[in-house]
Amino acid sequence: AQKITQTQPGMFVQEKEAVTLDCTYDTSDPSYGLFWYKQPSSGEMIFLIYQGSYDQQNATEGRYSLNFQKARKSANLVISASQLGDSAMYFCAMREGIEAAGNKLTFGGGTRVLVKP
Amino acid sequence: GAVVSQHPSWVICKSGTSVKIECRSLDFQATTMFWYRQFPKQSLMLMATSNEGSKATYEQGVEKDKFLINHASLTLSTLTVTSAHPEDSSFYICSAGPWGSGTDTQYFGPGTRLTVL
Repeated sequence: AQKITQTQPGMFVQEKEAVTLDCTYDTSDPSYGLFWYKQPSSGEMIFLIYQGSYDQQNATEGRYSLNFQKARKSANLVISASQLGDSAMYFCAMREGIEAAGNKLTFGGGTRVLVKP
Repeated sequence: GAVVSQHPSWVICKSGTSVKIECRSLDFQATTMFWYRQFPKQSLMLMATSNEGSKATYEQGVEKDKFLINHASLTLSTLTVTSAHPEDSSFYICSAGPWGSGTDTQYFGPGTRLTVL
């Protein structure tokens, strides 16, 4: 079974508007972390935001916010005020276990976002 | 933030040759590093976990004799693609995280694009 599911293969968004990227996950480990990465055409993986399973509040980082619904096992990324430079591939990922350094990430299939001027 | 480098950034080689890719953590020590492979328009797939001072742990379906991993120091892991063939052409990315960082993210290298002719 898929551990991380991103159901939107691609989407368009108008510049300056907000966009929500869906991510659902599956794990039986009570300790886990959820990540969002941006991958532009250059290929580098750019860390955007992190949410721990025990975090009480939704994570926010500038224009990025994570809508964490633990009971639904969803961790949607919201990008506010989209910019042309936001056009990229976005990956949701999960780490099972508490320690970042020693535990691998499992990635979703990704969502390609294209921001229209 | 922490920096992970990879070398080379791209390589073209003839079928049957071996290619070595280096992954370095520049400002932290990493007892564990991860190697991912990404085919065009696909997600990142974990190939193996590189452990300093011990054997790497390979994911199911990854040939350990073909993809040799050596983690000789706390800042360097190498991936050698032996007897490369065109189907090994892919984008290879490593990641690492500072041990003891708690729930911080892992940091990705910029990736190595391998083309086997």
